[in-house]
Amino acid sequence: EDQVTQSPEALRLQEGESSSLNCSYTVSGLRGLFWYRQDPGKGPEFLFTLYSAGEEKEKERLKATLTKKESFLHITAPKPEDSATYLCATNTGGFKTIFGAGTRLFVKA
Amino acid sequence: DAGVTQSPTHLIKTRGQQVTLRCSPKSGHDTVSWYQQALGQGPQFIFQYYEEEERQRGNFPDRFSGHQFPNYSSELNVNALLLGDSALYLCASSSVQTSNQPQHFGDGTRLSIL
Repeated sequence: EDQVTQSPEALRLQEGESSSLNCSYTVSGLRGLFWYRQDPGKGPEFLFTLYSAGEEKEKERLKATLTKKESFLHITAPKPEDSATYLCATNTGGFKTIFGAGTRLFVKA
Repeated sequence: DAGVTQSPTHLIKTRGQQVTLRCSPKSGHDTVSWYQQALGQGPQFIFQYYEEEERQRGNFPDRFSGHQFPNYSSELNVNALLLGDSALYLCASSSVQTSNQPQHFGDGTRLSIL
């Protein structure tokens, strides 16, 4: 069965303290690995798409990487405004997108 | 450029009632997917509509049904509401021509069942 697992469930960082979020996936025929950011009371906001192992994408303090079994979202020198839930999702070629449960990130000033 | 819009924003119903949620996709998009997001969980796929037909369905009972209109807007209907149906219902749109591209989400309808 296709599955996406994110860890940790929650992460508390001090401002400037870099870290990484993990997304491991078990899917048959990956056709895209997506990262979204979700703020409380809002819908998910798209961040990155990765399609093949070895691919990397960057945006401001965020960098996403992909291997054959997992993806990482690296956060460099985070700021309080980076506090949010980060969701990982995959598209396996059908019309269904499978989401992980998310990592809740708290960045303290 | 209007993004995905959903209505209503919040809704309170009682067990056994029926509810209809509405979604207008982003301009240029023709495909609409619906998701249920329980508190502290990731979105769970309910179904997807394209050309007014349901293309794929997740693990949800027949109490959940939908419709897509010729202007690509969509409705989600839930019958015989249960306490466990309390959740944030998200609508996402995309274009069939870029099916591997990410979906665009609305801010959802918060449904509370008493």
